[in-house]
Amino acid sequence: DTAVSQTPKYLVTQMGNDKSIKCEQNLGHDTMYWYKQDSKKFLKIMFSYNNKELIINETVPNRFSPKSPDKAHLNLHINSLELGDSAVYFCASTPSGGAGETQYFGPGTRLLVL
Amino acid sequence: AQSVTQLGSHVSVSEGALVLLRCNYSSSVPPYLFWYVQYPNQGLQLLLKYTSAATLVKGINGFEAEFKKSETSFHLTKPSAHMSDAAEYFCAVRAGYGNKLVFGAGTILRVKS
Repeated sequence: DTAVSQTPKYLVTQMGNDKSIKCEQNLGHDTMYWYKQDSKKFLKIMFSYNNKELIINETVPNRFSPKSPDKAHLNLHINSLELGDSAVYFCASTPSGGAGETQYFGPGTRLLVL
Repeated sequence: AQSVTQLGSHVSVSEGALVLLRCNYSSSVPPYLFWYVQYPNQGLQLLLKYTSAATLVKGINGFEAEFKKSETSFHLTKPSAHMSDAAEYFCAVRAGYGNKLVFGAGTILRVKS
C-alpha cells in the first residue's frame, strides 16, 4: 500500500538518451512535486502540479518536461541526458498544496548517466 | 525569499546522549518549518512540523523541536540517541507560490556505541 511510488527505482543510461520517470500517489492528493537531490544530497524543487495544472516551474533546462495525465500521476521526461543529470529524483504529494500541509515523498529514482 | 541554514554538516553523538541538530531560518512572512529524516537509499520521512500553533513541536521517534522567533531558529532535539537514529536530517521551510519546500543542506547524524 505504498502511498507515493516511483518507477523505476534505479536507472542507468548513456548520455544523449531520453528517459522517463513515473510517479503515482494513492492518497487522493491534488498537488504533486518533483525534487532533485544532487550528489551532495542538496534537495531542490523542479516542478509542481496542482490538479494537472503546472504551478511551479523552477529554473530547469527545457530538456526536462513534466506531464500530469491525471492528479494521481506526475511523470518526468528527460531528453538528451547529460552527465550532470545524474541525481536522485523524488516525487512528493500534498493534499491541496496548502502551506502547512505535509509533503509525502516517494522512495526516489536514482539516475546515473554514463 | 525564504531559506534555512543547518549548522554542522556532520554531528556525532554517543548512544544515550542528547541529540541537537541546528536549523536557522530566514523568512519575510510567518514561516512553516519542517524536519525530515532520510535513511540511506530511502526517501524522506516527516519527523515534525511547525505551522504556527504550539512553539514546542513533538514528532515521531522521540524527536521534538522548538520554534524561537527571536532567534529565528527551529532546532531539533532528542534526549537520548539510539543507534537507529543514524541518518541524514533536513530542515525545510515552505516558500512562495505553490508552497514548495526549500531545504537546508542536511546534517548527517552518527551515533556511536
